[in-house]
Parts: sequence; structure tokens; C-alpha cells
Amino acid sequence: GAVVSQHPSRVICKSGTSVKIECRSLDFQATTMFWYRQFPKQSLMLMATSNEGSKATYEQGVEKDKFLINHASLTLSTLTVTSAHPEDSSFYICSAPKGGGTEAFFGQGTRLTVV
Amino acid sequence: AQTVTQSQPEMSVQEAETVTLSCTYDTSENNYYLFWYKQPPSRQMILVIRQEAYKQQNATENRFSVNFQKAAKSFSLKISDSQLGDTAMYFCAWDSMDSSYKLIFGSGTRLLVRP
Repeated sequence: GAVVSQHPSRVICKSGTSVKIECRSLDFQATTMFWYRQFPKQSLMLMATSNEGSKATYEQGVEKDKFLINHASLTLSTLTVTSAHPEDSSFYICSAPKGGGTEAFFGQGTRLTVV
Repeated sequence: AQTVTQSQPEMSVQEAETVTLSCTYDTSENNYYLFWYKQPPSRQMILVIRQEAYKQQNATENRFSVNFQKAAKSFSLKISDSQLGDTAMYFCAWDSMDSSYKLIFGSGTRLLVRP
């Protein structure tokens, strides 16, 4: 099956700093990618839709200035958590649908801890 | 807005036995997809099975099958001959027929397979 790689898998940062998370489709092109957030023992909540070559679409309640999304190429989307605070600590997962296929492929996820 | 509800936070089954996980959803759309995803301790999301709403026949993938009741908006997952490797979180998810793979997830059911 197709592969989506997410990096880093774990990151610890200090409060007030910014963290960038990368999501790459390794063997297919993805004009659209999705970013989800998962709190411990909870479900995945869609944060935003990343669109190649255009602005991301954010879900209601998600701060676009805090969670910057850039989809600069057909294989890479990045999520930058700006001025991170402890409440931003969470598990972030990306997914990418393969064009013409029947499945969305998920990255391995990134555990962000803000101290 | 679409919602997905999983009313069983935790389930337990003896190895080799059969277990059914429940899922209900709410949507005003007539055509859509439904999914069951597995999230093992590694946190990697794995597609278990998918159902197209326009198909009356229930989807089956080896030991996994669904009972799709469109009028009742119910989509349960049956796991036959449960194996220890089936221990994981299971998420029911909904997607519009536009194939965006912008998934709406339920809250999840934690399944424990006992040896």
C-alpha cells in the first residue's frame, strides 16, 4: 500500500517556541492532506485541510495563526505549531488520500510535548 | 453536521471468540462512505474495512465484517475468531461521497482480546 511518512515521531519543546511537523507522501502525489489532533484516549479531531498551492482550510475553532499549514509541493505538507504552550501538547496525525484510490493513508503521528 | 457515535468505550473478548463493535451516525446525505479503522499501541491508523452507502451488501474482509443498516444509520463491526493482535482502539468513521477522505471519527472503542 501507499506510504505516508510523518516526522518527527516525538518532539519536546519549550513553551513559547515553534515546532514544525512534516507529512510526506512517499510514493504518490497528494494535492490534499489532512491534519488531525488526538488527545489521550480520545478520538481524532480534524484540524485542517492542507491544499497544495493554496491556503489551508481550517475547521471551526482551530486557530489558523497558531497552527500554520504549508503545502508547498505535491508530496509535502507541514504543520507548524507557533508559540507552543503546554495545552498544545497532543498527538498530531496527518493523512493523505491517494488520487483515484479508495483509501486515505495515515502518517505514524507526532507526539508533541510542550514543557 | 455529521456525527459518529460509538457507545462502547471498552470491550473485551476471549481469543477465538466473536465480538461486535457498535457505531451509529447521523447525516443528511444519501451517499457516503463508512469505515472502521484500527489503532494499535503504535498509534498507526490502519484501515480495517470500508462500506459504500449505496451498496446493500455488507462488506467483508477475512475475519472482519460489517452490519450496515442504512435506515437505522447503524454500522457495526464483527470480528470473528478474535486474535491477540486484534487488541487495539477501533474507530468508526464517516466520509462524504465526494471522496475527500475528510473523515469524521467516532470516539473509539478499546478492544482487549484475552488469551
